[in-house]
Amino acid sequence: GAVVSQHPSRVICKSGTSVKIECRSLDFQATTMFWYRQFPKKSLMLMATSNEGSKATYEQGVEKDKFLINHASLTLSTLTVTSAHPEDSSFYICSARWTLSSYNEQFFGPGTRLTVL
Amino acid sequence: AQKITQTQPGMFVQEKEAVTLDCTYDTSDPSYGLFWYKQPSSGEMIFLIYQGSYDQQNATEGRYSLNFQKARKSANLVISASQLGDSAMYFCAMREGPSGTYKYIFGTGTRLKVLA
Repeated sequence: GAVVSQHPSRVICKSGTSVKIECRSLDFQATTMFWYRQFPKKSLMLMATSNEGSKATYEQGVEKDKFLINHASLTLSTLTVTSAHPEDSSFYICSARWTLSSYNEQFFGPGTRLTVL
Repeated sequence: AQKITQTQPGMFVQEKEAVTLDCTYDTSDPSYGLFWYKQPSSGEMIFLIYQGSYDQQNATEGRYSLNFQKARKSANLVISASQLGDSAMYFCAMREGPSGTYKYIFGTGTRLKVLA
């Protein structure tokens, strides 16, 4: 149980286009999902906390208009990178919080590698 | 200030030997949780072990154990009998914040290489 999927796993796009990444909790309901960004050989940086039915909470320094987050249902959150530029190239990982878990509440998706040309 | 500090960017260990990966943390919250994750080259984050701030005993999960020293604010991961498949990036993380609004903060990671 507690499986989180991400789609796509890899995407290459041209500069200026928008890219949508989906994060789904497959076998549990997640009122909270998290979006992280990871640069090569670096740590995970929390970008925002996505709450079902309400606006996402963004971390300091993360552009809300650049990284649009929508948590429309208890099993789906989406991250849209708008007007992508090469500096947005990164590994994006989502996680979903399962409140019924005893302690490991956060289950990670497999990640999406975004390359902007 | 860093809330999670991993001072070893890279570590080598001989196969079948034990290795300790260091992690220190900083928080004023009396209730927190500490995690270790493994990230192989494929990128997925694999949960290894958890230690709650109120747990009296050190956590163990198979070959993984967590050396929790609360007064020193350290939560080192010990991997016993290392295997080649243990080669990966290892992240220490802390969960803090009021219940329902948790955040997870990650350290910079330690890259472990197991030698045959």
